[in-house]
Amino acid sequence: GAVVSQHPSRVICKSGTSVKIECRSLDFQATTMFWYRQFPKQSLMLMATSNEGSKATYEQGVEKDKFLINHASLTLSTLTVTSAHPEDSSFYICSAAGTGASTDTQYFGPGTRLTVL
Amino acid sequence: AQKVTQAQTEISVVEKEDVTLDCVYETRDTTYYLFWYKQPPSGELVFLIRRNSFDEQNEISGRYSWNFQKSTSSFNFTITASQVVDSAVYFCALSEASAGGTSYGKLTFGQGTILTVHP
Repeated sequence: GAVVSQHPSRVICKSGTSVKIECRSLDFQATTMFWYRQFPKQSLMLMATSNEGSKATYEQGVEKDKFLINHASLTLSTLTVTSAHPEDSSFYICSAAGTGASTDTQYFGPGTRLTVL
Repeated sequence: AQKVTQAQTEISVVEKEDVTLDCVYETRDTTYYLFWYKQPPSGELVFLIRRNSFDEQNEISGRYSWNFQKSTSSFNFTITASQVVDSAVYFCALSEASAGGTSYGKLTFGQGTILTVHP
């Protein structure tokens, strides 16, 4: 099946710093990527949808200036949490879909656990 | 707006028992897709099944089975003869059809059901 990777898997940073999370489709071209956030013991909430070469579409309540999403190529999308604060600590998961992979589903990455001190 | 409700927050069973996880959904779309995912403690989402709104056939895969009933907007998941390895959080999710009619529109997840299977 199609594989999606995320890097890093875990990151700890100080409050006020920026953190970049990468999401890569390893064996298919991801025309669409999604970014989700999951707080402890809660469900996944969609943050934004990005299509390759276009600006991301953010869900209501998600600050686009704080969560910068770039989908510059068909295999890579990045999420940058700018000026991170402890309340941004969460599990961030990306998913990807596109050509070369089954159209049956999105393929999820393994997630990135962000802890902001 | 789309909504998925998993009324069971936590379920605890003893190994070999059968267990059913409930999922009820709301959508105004005529074309939509339903999913079940398993999330073990590692956090990675494991895809279990996808169903489109036009296919109401029930499905069985090993010890797993799914019952899709459009009349009650439900998509329930049953594990037969549960095992300790089935312990995880299970999410039901609903996807609108994308612009191209595929199933990878944005997903709306239910709250999740924590399943614990005791030896």
